[in-house]
Amino acid sequence: DAGVIQSPRHEVTEMGQEVTLRCKPISGHNSLFWYRQTMMRGLELLIYFNNNVPIDDSGMPEDRFSAKMPNASFSTLKIQPSEPRDSAVYFCASSSGQGTGGYTFGSGTRLTVV
Amino acid sequence: TQLLEQSPQFLSIQEGENLTVYCNSSSVFSSLQWYRQEPGEGPVLLVTVVTGGEVKKLKRLTFQFGDARKDSSLHITAAQPGDTGLYLCAAPPGGSRLTFGEGTQLTVNP
Repeated sequence: DAGVIQSPRHEVTEMGQEVTLRCKPISGHNSLFWYRQTMMRGLELLIYFNNNVPIDDSGMPEDRFSAKMPNASFSTLKIQPSEPRDSAVYFCASSSGQGTGGYTFGSGTRLTVV
Repeated sequence: TQLLEQSPQFLSIQEGENLTVYCNSSSVFSSLQWYRQEPGEGPVLLVTVVTGGEVKKLKRLTFQFGDARKDSSLHITAAQPGDTGLYLCAAPPGGSRLTFGEGTQLTVNP
């Protein structure tokens, strides 16, 4: 298995532009999580899906952020419009959701908004 | 206020030394996990502890879950440069989601 695949690895965009981050979870995992990591706040959960359905989006900072999971093998996190304070590393993770199974993280997308 | 408090925040030691990092909370958890994150990569799961007082060993790493399931420690024996990384503890406050501590950044100098 290739693991959790995120794209792009790096994204530099201008303030006000739309940004779309992509994630392919591990086949067979039924839970998918989007996290944001910064030096100041560490790893923060933004939203998670179970069986493609959003379960908890309370971590989404504001309406500029949206996430979708149209099928079991693909999810997107969109920021529109982007702002400099959105600069961070965004991680996608998936898990089987069984018992105490851990998460498998992707390599992340480093987003810089200038 | 962080649900999981990790200490120390930074640790720099010489190769061959032993070290312990801590993860504390006022909440009781059904399980607790430890991850290691290297620069430019996502966190990688090291271990899951479930039972109060449980001790698990992974080569030179020893993980312990507190008797009351509120805290955990990670002990590394004879640290090596390859152990350098950010060590994160994580626990489920509810459902299948995980909350992470802020991590301990470990640097092992040759």
